[in-house]
Amino acid sequence: QQQVKQSPQSLIVQKGGISIINCAYENTAFDYFPWYQQFPGKGPALLIAIRPDVSEKKEGRFTISFNKSAKQFSLHIMDSQPGDSATYFCAARTGSARQLTFGSGTQLTVLP
Amino acid sequence: DTAVSQTPKYLVTQMGNDKSIKCEQNLGHDTMYWYKQDSKKFLKIMFSYNNKELIINETVPNRFSPKSPDKAHLNLHINSLELGDSAVYFCASTKQWPRRSHEQYFGPGTRLTVT
Repeated sequence: QQQVKQSPQSLIVQKGGISIINCAYENTAFDYFPWYQQFPGKGPALLIAIRPDVSEKKEGRFTISFNKSAKQFSLHIMDSQPGDSATYFCAARTGSARQLTFGSGTQLTVLP
Repeated sequence: DTAVSQTPKYLVTQMGNDKSIKCEQNLGHDTMYWYKQDSKKFLKIMFSYNNKELIINETVPNRFSPKSPDKAHLNLHINSLELGDSAVYFCASTKQWPRRSHEQYFGPGTRLTVT
């Protein structure tokens, strides 16, 4: 059972464009929602994260929008650059072990 | 300088063999994890250890046995390897308290190929 659904599976954007990746969750016990960026041959690295009591968080060109009532959150990458080409994972945390449940990933390609 | 390190980076072995992957973190974290990333890049947690105690054991075949000799190390031993075990295995770590601290730091991964 996939508790965090992520879309799209792949995304192609022109340089300077906006990249948008969406996630939806089911478990209301999730208390923290991070986004991870993964480059080929590397481990995932935390990009930005949000708590459910906040509707938006911005860090540089990256923004998370969070809709608690709809149980959805999204990542917006403004002014997308070729260096942003990577796989992006949304995730949600729950439990005393801080277990992360990951979405299925989005392969982002930013064309020069 | 590496925060979370794994050895080996690549592991090619035959079906039926037994192999181990080692993980070490120098961040002073108290919780460590093993994740499996399949060929479709789906990441799924396998195990979690807090202060050397197992706290998460997802539905993983008992051929997989984690061992944590101390808070800084979490090793993964796999018996009787099968073709379906081929994947990238990631170690990660975090600090449980204060609870508002959140980031899980991932290692570079170990690509296991079973032939």
